[in-house]
Amino acid sequence: SQELEQSPQSLIVQEGKNLTINCTSSKTLYGLYWYKQKYGEGLIFLMMLQKGGEEKSHEKITAKLDEKKQQSSLHITASQPSHAGIYLCGAVPNNYGQNFVFGPGTRLSVLP
Amino acid sequence: DAGITQSPRHKVTETGTPVTLRCHQTENHRYMYWYRQDPGHGLRLIHYSYGVKDTDKGEVSDGYSVSRSKTEDFLLTLESATSSQTSVYFCAISERAGGNQPQHFGDGTRLSIL
Repeated sequence: SQELEQSPQSLIVQEGKNLTINCTSSKTLYGLYWYKQKYGEGLIFLMMLQKGGEEKSHEKITAKLDEKKQQSSLHITASQPSHAGIYLCGAVPNNYGQNFVFGPGTRLSVLP
Repeated sequence: DAGITQSPRHKVTETGTPVTLRCHQTENHRYMYWYRQDPGHGLRLIHYSYGVKDTDKGEVSDGYSVSRSKTEDFLLTLESATSSQTSVYFCAISERAGGNQPQHFGDGTRLSIL
């Protein structure tokens, strides 16, 4: 079965610093999704990547999917306290699957 | 935000009692999902539905049943709750299956079984 690993597990940065979170799959990704979760709340969908080499941006967050479609990175530029939370990557094992699998999450703290 | 409402948001109950969690959507999406989220295990799929009265098991379905009698409602039932089912439960919806469609999540139900 497909497994997703994330690194780092947790991250503490000073406000204004850039940071990167990685998500690595044991198998080819047919869709890679990034979510953000704040404590006690649900997951908020950030971005979806499908094609090898694809890159998407939303405000100060950029996500990329590598050419082999087995690794994705999430980059935050000039971090703010509002970026704090848990970032999770999710994927489907094939192009018609319903069974999402999720990475364990990366906990981000941004110090003012 | 996707129109997903989970109820109740919090529940405390005793071992052996039946518990039903409700997920209600206003998006008319075909697919609905129940997950549980636990420290050290992340998000795990319990059951999902691909249409009215059409459901299937996920990774951790033992001890849980589901029903979907209307497009908008997906119920998760613990027939006889156990302490190992203490968790945060999330409902999600998606318009289609497959790699080109994200799932959107509700705010979760925090369930404690004493």
